[in-house]
Amino acid sequence: EAQVTQNPRYLITVTGKKLTVTCSQNMNHEYMSWYRQDPGLGLRQIYYSMNVEVTDKGDVPEGYKVSRKEKRNFPLILESPSPNQTSLYFCATSGQEVREQFFGPGTRLTVL
Amino acid sequence: DAKTTQPNSMESNEEEPVHLPCNHSTISGTDYIHWYRQLPSQGPEYVIHGLTSNVNNRMASLAIAEDRKSSTLILHRATLRDAAVYYCILSNFGNEKLTFGTGTRLTIIP
Repeated sequence: EAQVTQNPRYLITVTGKKLTVTCSQNMNHEYMSWYRQDPGLGLRQIYYSMNVEVTDKGDVPEGYKVSRKEKRNFPLILESPSPNQTSLYFCATSGQEVREQFFGPGTRLTVL
Repeated sequence: DAKTTQPNSMESNEEEPVHLPCNHSTISGTDYIHWYRQLPSQGPEYVIHGLTSNVNNRMASLAIAEDRKSSTLILHRATLRDAAVYYCILSNFGNEKLTFGTGTRLTIIP
């Protein structure tokens, strides 16, 4: 079954404590990206990756890092989380020839 | 990025067809029209996409105006499970980025 998994699904943390949200896909897709969703603002892209070792900034990259060492994984790293990064985060993937993006189930992050 | 305009909300009766409109007057010749939906407490889900011609799949139909400045997502027979926020999105060929607006919240009345 085609899947995009995210872990953890829920996280409450404190300001400044580094955290990583993992994203993994089993579809051998080249393209992966991270979005955040906030009330009234819709989904906004944070970072994306066209393939292994190729990453680039989206619309709201400040305060986030990513890496793409393997095709299946695309972790989102918050080195020093702040309360304004409290949000619902989604990972998405698609293949090169496919216009359909698959989204993960989401990670709800609260930074106190 | 070219923008889309959708109504904030719509209601429809169960088992009736639903027509969800989208205006995209600044669309370029290479922009694809995508529709995604987001059910409560879930990630967005692909519905359909098209470029110039009308498209059908098992979930819905996409009707694209001849001048491509508007499109309509058609759910042929709405069920309660179709209650969701529907997003109309443009993306340029070769650019996988999706710019989500606020979408249309569809309520299905039993």
